[in-house]
Amino acid sequence: NAGVTQTPKFQVLKTGQSMTLQCAQDMNHEYMSWYRQDPGMGLRLIHYSVGAGITDQGEVPNGYNVSRSTTEDFPLRLLSAAPSQTSVYFCASRTTGSNQPQHFGDGTRLSIL
Amino acid sequence: AQRVTQPEKLLSVFKGAPVELKCNYSYSGSPELFWYVQYSRQRLQLLLRHISRESIKGFTADLNKGETSFHLKKPFAQEEDSAMYYCALSPNAGGTSYGKLTFGQGTILTVHP
Repeated sequence: NAGVTQTPKFQVLKTGQSMTLQCAQDMNHEYMSWYRQDPGMGLRLIHYSVGAGITDQGEVPNGYNVSRSTTEDFPLRLLSAAPSQTSVYFCASRTTGSNQPQHFGDGTRLSIL
Repeated sequence: AQRVTQPEKLLSVFKGAPVELKCNYSYSGSPELFWYVQYSRQRLQLLLRHISRESIKGFTADLNKGETSFHLKKPFAQEEDSAMYYCALSPNAGGTSYGKLTFGQGTILTVHP
């Protein structure tokens, strides 16, 4: 199993551009999440999904959209990139039930100029 | 809303010395608590979860509900323990957590030879 796969690993955008960060998992996990990691702030939840067709906002959702058309995929869309969105983005998935750990991807390092 | 605090951004110890990474939380219900570790150039991975009460790589963590703490301890630090450590909390309301993690700010542990 590949686990959680994120693409691309690195990306540079200009302010105002849009792009999609891809995330796929092959563990048949119901729950998937997107986090951003910023120095001194830990990881913060952007959006999450509890199953295909169901998404909800996390702590810092503004400027991002998500959809969950299949169990495997959970793409994150930046609608109009801003320098404040420069960050490292992590996708995670986990199975249902209590106290189950999250499985993380390698991350996408995104720079907005 | 829940909150996780890791008061030390940086922690340096010498090899063989004891190490304690502090984590305090605030949450009105029964939380699910985790420690995640991120080694250099690797993805975030689970180290411990409070429900397991196990020792991983010599690390242990005890949930103290009275002090709302979940400190990570190791009696004899090794150089390979150098990494970023995150304490994380998932709310558990009536047995359903949805996997939404709230992270602390992280502690960078450096173990000197």
